[in-house]
Parts: sequence; C-alpha cells; structure tokens
Amino acid sequence: EADIYQTPRYLVIGTGKKITLECSQTMGHDKMYWYQQDPGMELHLIHYSYGVNSTEKGDLSSESTVSRIRTEHFPLTLESARPSHTSQYLCASSERGRTAKNTEAFFGQGTRLTVV
Amino acid sequence: AQTVTQSQPEMSVQEAETVTLSCTYDTSESNYYLFWYKQPPSRQMILVIRQEAYKQQNATENRFSVNFQKAAKSFSLKISDSQLGDTAMYFCAFMKPRGGSNYKLTFGKGTLLTVNP
Repeated sequence: EADIYQTPRYLVIGTGKKITLECSQTMGHDKMYWYQQDPGMELHLIHYSYGVNSTEKGDLSSESTVSRIRTEHFPLTLESARPSHTSQYLCASSERGRTAKNTEAFFGQGTRLTVV
Repeated sequence: AQTVTQSQPEMSVQEAETVTLSCTYDTSESNYYLFWYKQPPSRQMILVIRQEAYKQQNATENRFSVNFQKAAKSFSLKISDSQLGDTAMYFCAFMKPRGGSNYKLTFGKGTLLTVNP
C-alpha cells in the first residue's frame, strides 16, 4: 500500500458549510494532485502542485482551493459546500523527474463527499 | 488536448481465463506514456503497467501485458489466468511529458472488470 493518506474517508455535510479534505504523504514526493471522480466517470484533475508554495488549477474548473505549505501536506478546501460538490475526491503524489519511474502516481483511498 | 476512450464500461471473465480490455487515445504528440491503473472496490488505485511510446516492445508485468499499436493509437490490456483479486475498475491513462518534467494524467472512463469463480 502506498504511503498517502486521505481523511475523512466519508463526509456528509450541509449546504453552506466550510470543509477541508486532508491529504498527506510520507514519500517525500514533490508533486501532488487532486482529482475529482464521479461514479462511472473518468478522473478529472482539479489542482496540482510541484512543490512547496506552488499550486495550479487543473483541467476541470473547481470552486475549491488548495495550499502547499509543507511538502507532505496538500489540503483541499471548499469555503461553502453545495450539492453540486458531491463527488469522490482523490489525492495523488509522484516524484519529480524525467525518468519513466517518476511517472507513477500513488493514490490515496479517496474522500467521498456528500453535500445535502 | 488529449483524449482517452474506453469503450467497454463493464466486462466479466471466469477465473483462470484471459480477458482483454480496450483503450484508444488521441494525441498529436510522438513522445508520451500510457498506463493502466487498477482501482479495487474501496481500495487505493494502483499502477498495473506502463508503456513508453518510443519503445516498440509491449510492456509485460507477470500476468498483465499490453498490445500497444502506436499508429492506430490503441493500447489494450490483457490479463491472463484471471484471479478473483483482479476484480476492479481499470482505467487507461495518458501522460505527456511537459517542459522536461512528467506532467498530469488524462484518464478514460474506466472498465469495471468482474472475475467470476
């Protein structure tokens, strides 16, 4: 099992609440990612980071924000949750570098978010 | 933009038999990576196999092998001697190296494989 952890695993929350999804990795990876995955659909990249203090938005527009203050920690925050945010959120990390080995992404178990 | 298409939403196979999952992709790049990732029920997604586009030889990892057809932009996964633990969602993914550093993954919609006893 990869050393990347997401909490909580499941979250049911009311509309308008602020939430933070946690993601931590102990592999020392520079690159970290957040993907959004709806049932039966592909994963869409919503945020990524190449290192501390580096964050960029991904392909899928998202109202969430991220921060990267420490290498091992990459939390995702929703300031005001809405039912449209209901989805599974997957965090991943990979090594920096140009070799094939560095292409492997290690995933957390995901957070399944339901906004009611 | 790159796209990845998996045309089989669901497949099933009997234990010990062989199954092939299909994937096609669209890109104008000549140098890239292709992957198959496995997502078991309620467990972490893991890398099954990786193919570098500039390598003509098909990648193999134990019971898993690929048929990479670069001109046809096809990348199928063959699972031999299927086991119950192979039951999972399988995602085909594409990565284009950017700026000298490996970049983001583009995923297909996945194929749910069920291995029956």
